[in-house]
Amino acid sequence: KAGVTQTPRYLIKTRGQQVTLSCSPISGHRSVSWYQQTPGQGLQFLFEYFSETQRNKGNFPGRFSGRQFSNSRSEMNVSTLELGDSALYLCASSFRTSGYNTGELFFGEGSRLTVL
Amino acid sequence: AQRVTQPEKLLSVFKGAPVELKCNYSYSGSPELFWYVQYSRQRLQLLLRHISRESIKGFTADLNKGETSFHLKKPFAQEEDSAMYYCALSANYGGSQGNLIFGKGTKLSVKP
Repeated sequence: KAGVTQTPRYLIKTRGQQVTLSCSPISGHRSVSWYQQTPGQGLQFLFEYFSETQRNKGNFPGRFSGRQFSNSRSEMNVSTLELGDSALYLCASSFRTSGYNTGELFFGEGSRLTVL
Repeated sequence: AQRVTQPEKLLSVFKGAPVELKCNYSYSGSPELFWYVQYSRQRLQLLLRHISRESIKGFTADLNKGETSFHLKKPFAQEEDSAMYYCALSANYGGSQGNLIFGKGTKLSVKP
């Protein structure tokens, strides 16, 4: 099986711009979650999507948003970028039904965002 | 508040020595705990979970609810164990496992 694929791998933006990151989960995985990783804060949960619905959301401002498509692919968007948004954004997929979850997350390689 | 603490940023041991990576958690409910590992130039991946009670690559971890700890142990470290190790807690809202709370990680360096 192909692993979790994230695009783009690297990108540079300036303050005030917006960015969209994409994540393709492992085939058969319907849950996609997003994490922000920074040297200071470590790995922080952004949100999780299952069956095109946001199921959980972390403590991030409304500038951070996401969505999931019917094929389980997910995108996250950050608007009005700030310098502090520079980070590695990780996507993870997992096998989950409405009432059961294996509990194992499969991570992508991440999208490294630099905000200048 | 839910929190995972890994007190050591870096742990350096010699090959063949025992290893213990510490993890303490704060959670009001019944926790589900995991250890994830990231080897150099590889993706973050699951090493083991407490409900499985299994040994992976010689590593074991026991959940101690009294001490709210989930330390990762290996009796004899190998050079290939060198990696970044993250302890994680599942908040498990509504059955979701996607919401993991991670510790800041411990870098394990095993010297020859």
